[in-house]
Amino acid sequence: LAKTTQPISMDSYEGQEVNITCSHNNIATNDYITWYQQFPSQGPRFIIQGYKTKVTNEVASLFIPADRKSSTLSLPRVSLSDTAVYYCLVGDHGGDTGRRALTFGSGTRLQVQP
Amino acid sequence: DVKVTQSSRYLVKRTGEKVFLECVQDMDHENMFWYRQDPGLGLRLIYFSYDVKMKEKGDIPEGYSVSREKKERFSLILESASTNQTSMYLCAGGDGRKTYYGYTFGSGTRLTVV
Repeated sequence: LAKTTQPISMDSYEGQEVNITCSHNNIATNDYITWYQQFPSQGPRFIIQGYKTKVTNEVASLFIPADRKSSTLSLPRVSLSDTAVYYCLVGDHGGDTGRRALTFGSGTRLQVQP
Repeated sequence: DVKVTQSSRYLVKRTGEKVFLECVQDMDHENMFWYRQDPGLGLRLIYFSYDVKMKEKGDIPEGYSVSREKKERFSLILESASTNQTSMYLCAGGDGRKTYYGYTFGSGTRLTVV
């Protein structure tokens, strides 16, 4: 599975847009990019997933350049409740059997200030 | 709403005890996973299972075993608990056959071995 590198921590203020970039230089052709959010004392929660270009949902946007060696999670107008750890994961679908496991790195700790 | 339920939120055990951590999912998912999370180390995969009675070692299987007798239940077993197994344990379920392959996590079990 492709290794990912992301900043250890980031600080922001309420109302700002936050962009968290993840590097995955050895991403494979079949790999998708997935982001999770984790609040203290809770399990991670799926945010968004993409393969290329741009994906947007009600929570975030995910930007993936043509070479797919990095990706950027964009959180528009963050609030205090967005303070959490954000994980970038890269992995494939494991073929028809679906037998795979995702590897989590240390994530990016986002602190949103009032 | 789909759920992954872990039987205990907090657990205190003595060194040398055999410990069972239970996880139940109601999503009819084939894949189930056990991770442990420690400060500064992110989530590390212990074991996963892609079918009943099937199991695969993750990155840190030493000192652990698992049991999957029914599709909805995945148990993590600490054969002889040690203090270095004090950690937050997270169970997850996932449907490996779908394009969207986000995991659903339980709330975690915080295990303290004394």
